[in-house]
Amino acid sequence: SAVISQKPSRDICQRGTSLTIQCQVDSQVTMMFWYRQQPGQSLTLIATANQGSEATYESGFVIDKFPISRPNLTFSTLTVSNMSPEDSSIYLCSVEGPVGGEQYFGPGTRLTVT
Amino acid sequence: TQLLEQSPQFLSIQEGENLTVYCNSSSVFSSLQWYRQEPGEGPVLLVTVVTGGEVKKLKRLTFQFGDARKDSSLHITAAQPGDTGLYLCAGAHGGSNYKLTFGKGTLLTVNP
Repeated sequence: SAVISQKPSRDICQRGTSLTIQCQVDSQVTMMFWYRQQPGQSLTLIATANQGSEATYESGFVIDKFPISRPNLTFSTLTVSNMSPEDSSIYLCSVEGPVGGEQYFGPGTRLTVT
Repeated sequence: TQLLEQSPQFLSIQEGENLTVYCNSSSVFSSLQWYRQEPGEGPVLLVTVVTGGEVKKLKRLTFQFGDARKDSSLHITAAQPGDTGLYLCAGAHGGSNYKLTFGKGTLLTVNP
């Protein structure tokens, strides 16, 4: 399985600021995904990021709030913009596995907005 | 929207007991995954089931995919404290195989 790292692992930010989360994979992958996991909740897909094209956002998530970059096949960033306390969550990136539907996840970024 | 209902939401048992977690949907999935997530970590893939009626075993864990590919179960035999964690099922949609719908998770605590 792919080895995925995320930076930062955690951060505490003030409302109104922005935070960029980095996701690095140890192998080239076509699809990368960004999820949000709110406290005590399951995972919600924010967007799918393919290299060379704009990210595809799920209902309820917009590019202005969560801009995503995918400059190459091993790296992606997610920015959480103009943060509010409601954005306090764990943000996870994942990549597709060899079998349809499988995904491998990074360790997550725990964001607290005060 | 394709939903996955997972039950129970919380489960606290003693070491050595058996347990079963259920994942149900009214929709058909092309495949279904089970993950375990520990505090401060991302979900770790345990198994993928793709064929209706399929049963997979991973040591003390047994996974089953329903014949109609709408439901799945995870059975743990002789649970150990190391099994403690959040268990998540996730279904892949047939039309866009990479998109997963996650259940709400089962938080399992195994007490020594």
